[in-house]
Amino acid sequence: GAGVSQSPRYKVTKRGQDVALRCDPISGHVSLYWYRQALGQGPEFLTYFNYEAQQDKSGLPNDRFSAERPEGSISTLTIQRTEQRDSAMYRCASSLRQGHEQYFGPGTRLTVT
Amino acid sequence: GESVGLHLPTLSVQEGDNSIINCAYSNSASDYFIWYKQESGKGPQFIIDIRSNMDKRQGQRVTVLLNKTVKHLSLQIAATQPGDSAVYFCAEEDLTGGGNKLTFGTGTQLKVEL
Repeated sequence: GAGVSQSPRYKVTKRGQDVALRCDPISGHVSLYWYRQALGQGPEFLTYFNYEAQQDKSGLPNDRFSAERPEGSISTLTIQRTEQRDSAMYRCASSLRQGHEQYFGPGTRLTVT
Repeated sequence: GESVGLHLPTLSVQEGDNSIINCAYSNSASDYFIWYKQESGKGPQFIIDIRSNMDKRQGQRVTVLLNKTVKHLSLQIAATQPGDSAVYFCAEEDLTGGGNKLTFGTGTQLKVEL
């Protein structure tokens, strides 16, 4: 079956622009997570959802970052007024339910110029 | 592809030897631990997990050991193969605390020499 997919795979944007990153979890997975990964480091938690409810957004760096999962399936991570420090790999993961194995997607490489 | 491991601890092993990768975790309340393998240009891939009520768990060619006293986790890979070359991350989670976020440790680059 299909794994977690993310789009776009690569995004280059100019400083000050808004970007929207999409995650399509494994079908039937209740929990969806967003992480950010810097080169040479492990993924860093941003936020997660159970169904459509955002359960924890403590990892979002500031109020320019937001996420939604309106129908409990696809999720969008939005970064407003992008800054160069936002450049990173953004990874999405999903799990059957909370506390179960998380499956990661291929990530979106965001570059802010 | 993504280039990881620029400044990561590196473990070099000969093909066929056993590998041991170590990890020190930080949160004494963590009760779920996972090892992930990440190949260049790919997302982390689940290898094996262990809950805090166990101190050892075995999978296919892999074993995870948990020492809660010193907050140490290790991954043992038997008969290491070239396909095992990757960056390995340990991750911890506090399930009973209600949180559901993985906290990843510093990765270790495993290089398998032929």
